Amino acid sequence: GAVVSQHPSWVICKSGTSVKIECRSLDFQATTMFWYRQFPKQSLMLMATSNEGSKATYEQGVEKDKFLINHASLTLSTLTVTSAHPEDSSFYICSAMRGGPETQYFGPGTRLLVL
Amino acid sequence: EDKVVQSPLSLVVHEGDTVTLNCSYEVTNFRSLLWYKQEKKAPTFLFMLTSSGIEKKSGRLSSILDKKELFSILNITATQTGDSAIYLCAVEAGNNRKLIWGLGTSLAVNP
Repeated sequence: GAVVSQHPSWVICKSGTSVKIECRSLDFQATTMFWYRQFPKQSLMLMATSNEGSKATYEQGVEKDKFLINHASLTLSTLTVTSAHPEDSSFYICSAMRGGPETQYFGPGTRLLVL
Repeated sequence: EDKVVQSPLSLVVHEGDTVTLNCSYEVTNFRSLLWYKQEKKAPTFLFMLTSSGIEKKSGRLSSILDKKELFSILNITATQTGDSAIYLCAVEAGNNRKLIWGLGTSLAVNP
């Protein structure tokens, strides 16, 4: 059990377009979902914390108008990168938590390349 | 400001060696410390530590926490090439249960 999926796993887009990434907990209901960004050879950087039915809490320095998060249900959260630019190219990972921190399960990640 | 520092940043060893990875932290309202292994994709959970001096063990991996000196170590004995990965340490702190991540230790095990 405890599988988290992300879709798509790879996306290449032109500068100025918007990209939506889905994160689903497949076999459990997640109380909280997290969105991370990871640059090559660097650690995970928390972007935002998302609870179902309420607005996401963004970390300092993360533009909420650029990275739109929607948490539609206990099993689905989406991250939309609006008007993407090359500097937004990165590896985006979501995680879903169903209890304590040891129950935080990570998705396989989405690699975004903006040309 | 809460911070988690891992050392070394990178390590290359031969198969069969034993390695010790370090994680030190300075946070407000510590709750737990977690270790993860990240290969090519998402991190996978290894251990969660909440109490000092109690070793957690899983096969060749073990970890222990020192809450007085504010650090944890992750030991890997008889390393194998499959242990090559980035090992991430994260500390849960504060009432909002947020994880504060270290930069990770990149381990390469050569045959």
